[in-house]
Order: sequence, then structure tokens, then C-alpha cells
Amino acid sequence: AQSVAQPEDQVNVAEGNPLTVKCTYSVSGNPYLFWYVQYPNRGLQFLLKYITGDNLVKGSYGFEAEFNKSQTSFHLKKPSALVSDSALYFCAVRALNSGNTPLVFGKGTRLSVIA
Amino acid sequence: DGGITQSPKYLFRKEGQNVTLSCEQNLNHDAMYWYRQDPGQGLRLIYYSQIVNDFQKGDIAEGYSVSREKKESFPLTVTSAQKNPTAFYLCASTPLTGPGDYRYTFGSGTRLTVV
Repeated sequence: AQSVAQPEDQVNVAEGNPLTVKCTYSVSGNPYLFWYVQYPNRGLQFLLKYITGDNLVKGSYGFEAEFNKSQTSFHLKKPSALVSDSALYFCAVRALNSGNTPLVFGKGTRLSVIA
Repeated sequence: DGGITQSPKYLFRKEGQNVTLSCEQNLNHDAMYWYRQDPGQGLRLIYYSQIVNDFQKGDIAEGYSVSREKKESFPLTVTSAQKNPTAFYLCASTPLTGPGDYRYTFGSGTRLTVV
């Protein structure tokens, strides 16, 4: 079974400080990992994904994520937070060789960036 | 512009009534998905389809039905059997041509309220 956990419901960070949104996963085999962002009353927007290769993945809006196989984690990071980064963030996973089974999403982490 | 369109944006349902949510994509994507979003519960999979005239149940299919008569369209019917339908419904699509292309594109959602 595939699963993903986002241990923090809410993350607060001051504008200009670095931010981290945590994600751990469980799959059989190699993972296919994603981060999405959702603004109020909108659909989810793709930020970045990891398939194979470099453990540090760079994405949209200055976000990056670090894949750590030994810790089964895929934390989202940004060096300097903006107030406009305030949103709901979702991590998602599926096994890479799972025959196109649907993504499993975490419950989301609400990021609040305070000016 | 290519994209995925959900309509209506807001929908009100009376007790005992069936309602249908529309999802249309012009991205030539193979697979389409319906998710339900409730506060604090993340995204839960209702139904998905990887090919025309075929679809599979997700984790919470009871009280819902779908059809996939055209590649572009994947409507969701919320039947009177769904006891708690008030939620935000999201439709997504992705190509299945290979891992490099695999990435969900989401619609803007439909907010369904029982009155």
C-alpha cells in the first residue's frame, strides 16, 4: 500500500526566513514524489516532482525539495519565504512501477508566512 | 490555452436529488480522476479512468457514479445515496505516456453544498 504523511497541519514562518514543509512516504519499490500548492477555492498547482536522479529537485516559485531514501522523506524547502507563499501544500506519492495507479495525497500542511 | 475545466463553480443540492459535476479537458490526457476535499482530510479518490469506456472505483466511491464516453470528458454524478456530499470536488488529468510526462493537472474545483 502507498501512503504519505505530512506531520504538521500548520507551519508558521516569518517573511524572509527559510521554510520547510515535511513529508514522509511509504511505497513498495522506488517512489514517484510530488508537491502541489493550493490557494483558497482553487485547484492544486504543480510545484515539483522527483522520479530518479539528483536528490535535490528544483521547482516553481523558488521551491525545492530534497529526496532522502533512507529516511523516506521528501521535504519541501525555500530559502526565503514570501507572504504570497501562504497556502495549503500537498505531498503526493505513488510507486514508480505500479502500473499507473493513482497518486496518494497527504492531508496537507497550511503554510502561513507572516510579514 | 490547454487546460481542464470544471463546472459549475458552485452547486447547491436538495436532499434526495442527484447532481452532475462536469469535467472537461483539452490536453489530450489519457487518465482522469475525481477527488473529494474536506477540511483536514486532504484529497480522497472517488473514481478514476485511464481509457475511454473504462473506470475504476477509488477509496470513497459509494454514492457516486461516473462515465467516460469521450476522452475529453469525465462527469461525476453525486447520487442521493451519498449521505454527506457537501465538499469541494476536484477533477484532475494526466498523460500516461511515461514517467517523465506523468503529472496531474487540476481543474479549479466545484463546491457542492446540500441545502
